[in-house]
Amino acid sequence: AQSVAQPEDQVNVAEGNPLTVKCTYSVSGNPYLFWYVQYPNRGLQFLLKYITGDNLVKGSYGFEAEFNKSQTSFHLKKPSALVSDSALYFCAVRDIQAAGNKLTFGGGTRVLVKP
Amino acid sequence: NAGVTQTPKFRVLKTGQSMTLLCAQDMNHEYMYWYRQDPGMGLRLIHYSVGEGTTAKGEVPDGYNVSRLKKQNFLLGLESAAPSQTSVYFCAISVKREYTGELFFGEGSRLTVL
Repeated sequence: AQSVAQPEDQVNVAEGNPLTVKCTYSVSGNPYLFWYVQYPNRGLQFLLKYITGDNLVKGSYGFEAEFNKSQTSFHLKKPSALVSDSALYFCAVRDIQAAGNKLTFGGGTRVLVKP
Repeated sequence: NAGVTQTPKFRVLKTGQSMTLLCAQDMNHEYMYWYRQDPGMGLRLIHYSVGEGTTAKGEVPDGYNVSRLKKQNFLLGLESAAPSQTSVYFCAISVKREYTGELFFGEGSRLTVL
């Protein structure tokens, strides 16, 4: 079975400061990891993914994430947060052994960027 | 979210009523999914389909049925709605690229069961 934990329900950060959203995962095999963002009353939008290769993955809107196999983590980061980054962020994992490209999502972390 | 259309976007039901949510895609993707989103619980997979005519159960399938008669459509049915099914439902699609394809989501359908 695969699972994802996002330990923080909400993250508050001042505009211009670095933003980090934490994610840890559990899978039986090699993980494929994803980050999605959800703006109010909208569907989820893909930000970035880790499949293989470089542990630092760059994605949309200036976001990046670092895969750490020993810590089973995939934290989302942005060097300088914008007010427009305020949204709900979801980490997701797919186990290579899981059929049908199914993703398991974390509970989500709400990010609030204050001016 | 272009390419994935969900109807209806809002619906209020009484306990015991039935309804069907429609997901339509124009991207010709093989895989389609129905998730429900509840506060603090993230998204949980209800049912999914890996191709026309095939469906499979996800994490929380009880109380729901699905059909994929045409490749571009994936229907989610509630035969006898219960208040516990009050949720926001999301359809998603994925290419048949084993393991690595990201999901594309619809805008969601908000269902309230009284």
